[in-house]
Amino acid sequence: DGGITQSPKYLFRKEGQNVTLSCEQNLNHDAMYWYRQDPGQGLRLIYYSQIVNDFQKGDIAEGYSVSREKKESFPLTVTSAQKNPTAFYLCASSIVDIAKNIQYFGAGTRLSVL
Amino acid sequence: AQSVSQHNHHVILSEAASLELGCNYSYGGTVNLFWYVQYPGQHLQLLLKYFSGDPLVKGIKGFEAEFIKSKFSFNLRKPSVQWSDTAEYFCAVPGSSNTGKLIFGQGTTLQVKP
Repeated sequence: DGGITQSPKYLFRKEGQNVTLSCEQNLNHDAMYWYRQDPGQGLRLIYYSQIVNDFQKGDIAEGYSVSREKKESFPLTVTSAQKNPTAFYLCASSIVDIAKNIQYFGAGTRLSVL
Repeated sequence: AQSVSQHNHHVILSEAASLELGCNYSYGGTVNLFWYVQYPGQHLQLLLKYFSGDPLVKGIKGFEAEFIKSKFSFNLRKPSVQWSDTAEYFCAVPGSSNTGKLIFGQGTTLQVKP
């Protein structure tokens, strides 16, 4: 089945710890995105990538890092600098189109702080 | 800067009631508009989209939305809701420049009582 796989489904972070969220897609999409979802705030863009080995900061990139070494993969690291990491994280992918891109989403990872 | 505003944060309806969820946008380019839906425990998925042509667009599961350019609105409607429509609904517009990113509204949680 084509789609986007996020893992793990649930993740717990200790104080001062970096954690990495996985996102893999087999849709052959060039563009990939990471969003953070908080109640009442919708989805906010953390990072996005339109091509391998290139990525750009979104609206709330502070405390996060990403890499795009392969077309299929776009892992997100939540660093210890992110002081409020508890949220639901969604990964998405799409073709590269300025305005008509339909984004396809994974099932999400729920991150909590211990 | 582009923005999207959803007026209703939490809507509770009985089955068979009619639904209208408000969405207003601020967008300086060619207008492309999206509604996404997130059913409990499921992926965020596209409900419907407007790119051009007939301003009344139809989506999955009997939903429709009307683009009214003069009001900067793209309200979502359904004549008769079902319990299975219980979900969170997001309106979205493309982000600025050629990034391919989406700007999401705050979301509306719809609860349909059986």
